[in-house]
Amino acid sequence: QQQVKQSPQSLIVQKGGISIINCAYENTAFDYFPWYQQFPGKGPALLIAIRPDVSEKKEGRFTISFNKSAKQFSLHIMDSQPGDSATYFCAARIGGGADGLTFGKGTHLIIQP
Amino acid sequence: DVKVTQSSRYLVKRTGEKVFLECVQDMDHENMFWYRQDPGLGLRLIYFSYDVKMKEKGDIPEGYSVSREKKERFSLILESASTNQTSMYLCASSSSSTGSGNTIYFGEGSWLTVV
Repeated sequence: QQQVKQSPQSLIVQKGGISIINCAYENTAFDYFPWYQQFPGKGPALLIAIRPDVSEKKEGRFTISFNKSAKQFSLHIMDSQPGDSATYFCAARIGGGADGLTFGKGTHLIIQP
Repeated sequence: DVKVTQSSRYLVKRTGEKVFLECVQDMDHENMFWYRQDPGLGLRLIYFSYDVKMKEKGDIPEGYSVSREKKERFSLILESASTNQTSMYLCASSSSSTGSGNTIYFGEGSWLTVV
């Protein structure tokens, strides 16, 4: 069964620090790796995504690092702010995506002021 | 902006009741999905549809069915609700066009409590 394993389950970071969330996958057919951010009472929203032909993608304070040989990818949040407090999900997809995404179990991130 | 609308945000139903969760998207997306979200378990795919009247089972289809009579609308049906179906249900949609990146857009969720 396709799986994406996410860690840690919860994370507390001081304001201004770096938040790091890790994911590992098994199926080498995955070709698209998004991260979703979810605030309480809201649906998940796409934060940033990467394809396996690059090792890093940066958008503002958010960076995905991708290690194809290790089958791992991670989200780094630089200069973490209280407004970043949310649940983060990594995910993976095969092909055109008609059959959806396989999600990790989520990381509850708290940024302490 | 893409909008995925789940008409019922909070529902309380009795065991054995038939439950309908409705979802509408306004972006002419071909693909639509129903996920279930539970603490510690993440998002799990129940059913998906890539075209009108087409449906495919996801990872946890037992106890659920779906209907897609129109492209913009995808309904999740619980034929006989049970307490273990108490959860948050998320509808989502995406385009089949590769140029769009195939981003999946989610609704805000429907909280279902079965008593």
